[in-house]
Amino acid sequence: KAGVTQTPRYLIKTRGQQVTLSCSPISGHRSVSWYQQTPGQGLQFLFEYFSETQRNKGNFPGRFSGRQFSNSRSEMNVSTLELGDSALYLCASSASTDTQYFGPGTRLTVL
Amino acid sequence: GQSLEQPSEVTAVEGAIVQINCTYQTSGFYGLSWYQQHDGGAPTFLSYNGLDGLEETGRFSSFLSRSDSYGYLLLQELQMKDSASYFCAVKSGNTPLVFGKGTRLSVIA
Repeated sequence: KAGVTQTPRYLIKTRGQQVTLSCSPISGHRSVSWYQQTPGQGLQFLFEYFSETQRNKGNFPGRFSGRQFSNSRSEMNVSTLELGDSALYLCASSASTDTQYFGPGTRLTVL
Repeated sequence: GQSLEQPSEVTAVEGAIVQINCTYQTSGFYGLSWYQQHDGGAPTFLSYNGLDGLEETGRFSSFLSRSDSYGYLLLQELQMKDSASYFCAVKSGNTPLVFGKGTRLSVIA
């Protein structure tokens, strides 16, 4: 089975721009979660989608949004980028609530 | 809310045993998971404890005490390739998996 894929792997944007990141889960996994990882802060939960519905949302401003499509692929969008949004954005899919399978991440740099 | 505490850094010698502790505060606790992340890589699942006791998978073992809100990851026969960050994560109720800030393990010769 192919693993979780994320595109793009690297991205450089400037302040004020917006960005869309994509995630394709493992085949058969209907749950997709997004995390932001910055040095020393661990993995901060952004949102979780299940069957196209947002099931949980983390404590992030409204500039961060996401969606899931009928084929379980998911996108997240960050509008009006700030310098502090520079991070590794990880997507994870799961078939159960116990185990998350992570993609390689998208490294976003905001200049 | 939920919170997890784990040491930020641990150093151990190749061939030795190291224990990484994790304490948590949460309600509606389901289980404790451990993930490994090498520099530049994605977190990968190591183990899950839903019940008290020890779970063993090769050189890695994980322990949970629900009454103490405490768990640990035990790595035996340390190898240089075990140098990585290790995250504990708590699953509670209908909330998403919450991760600790990670423990950076350095294995030295």
